[in-house]
Amino acid sequence: DAKTTQPTSMDCAEGRAANLPCNHSTISGNEYVYWYRQIHSQGPQYIIHGLKNNETNEMASLIITEDRKSSTLILPHATLRDTAVYYCIVWRQGGKLIFGQGTELSVKP
Amino acid sequence: EAGVAQSPRYKIIEKRQSVAFWCNPISGHATLYWYQQILGQGPKLLIQFQNNGVVDDSQLPKDRFSAERLKGVDSTLKIQPAKLEDSAVYLCASSQGLAGVEQYFGPGTRLTVT
Repeated sequence: DAKTTQPTSMDCAEGRAANLPCNHSTISGNEYVYWYRQIHSQGPQYIIHGLKNNETNEMASLIITEDRKSSTLILPHATLRDTAVYYCIVWRQGGKLIFGQGTELSVKP
Repeated sequence: EAGVAQSPRYKIIEKRQSVAFWCNPISGHATLYWYQQILGQGPKLLIQFQNNGVVDDSQLPKDRFSAERLKGVDSTLKIQPAKLEDSAVYLCASSQGLAGVEQYFGPGTRLTVT
């Protein structure tokens, strides 16, 4: 499974967009990029995933570069409830979710 | 729709004692996972079930950890005997199948071994 690299922590002002980067330079063609988040004292929560194209759902947008070596998770209007650890995971069919250290996002008023 | 249920939420035991955790997945979810999350780290998969069969238990310390999923629904994870390094949050998750990776996690059981 490809390894991912994320910043340890980030801050974001409430109401502004939070852009969380992830590097996955060794990703293979059949591997997906998944994002989960974990709010304090809760289990992880699925956010979004993508293969090549950009994706958007009610929670976030996922932008994957054309060479697929990096991606950005965008929370368009961050709220205090978005304060959490965000995990970027590369996954292939038949594989398992391998959680790294993630990015600790702090949304500040 | 009810989420993944786990109990107990907290457990404190002394080393060398045994402990068991229970998980009830989302109804209809065939795949069930147990993860261990040590403080400051991401969750680590211990064991994965598809219905009542084991798919992956490569990271389960089998000398002290055991898990079962009788009848392909509820699951229990047991530690016997516990060590100090087993202090962690034990998370249960479920998904509809092996193809998708949208896993739904329970709140976890926080284990403290003294």
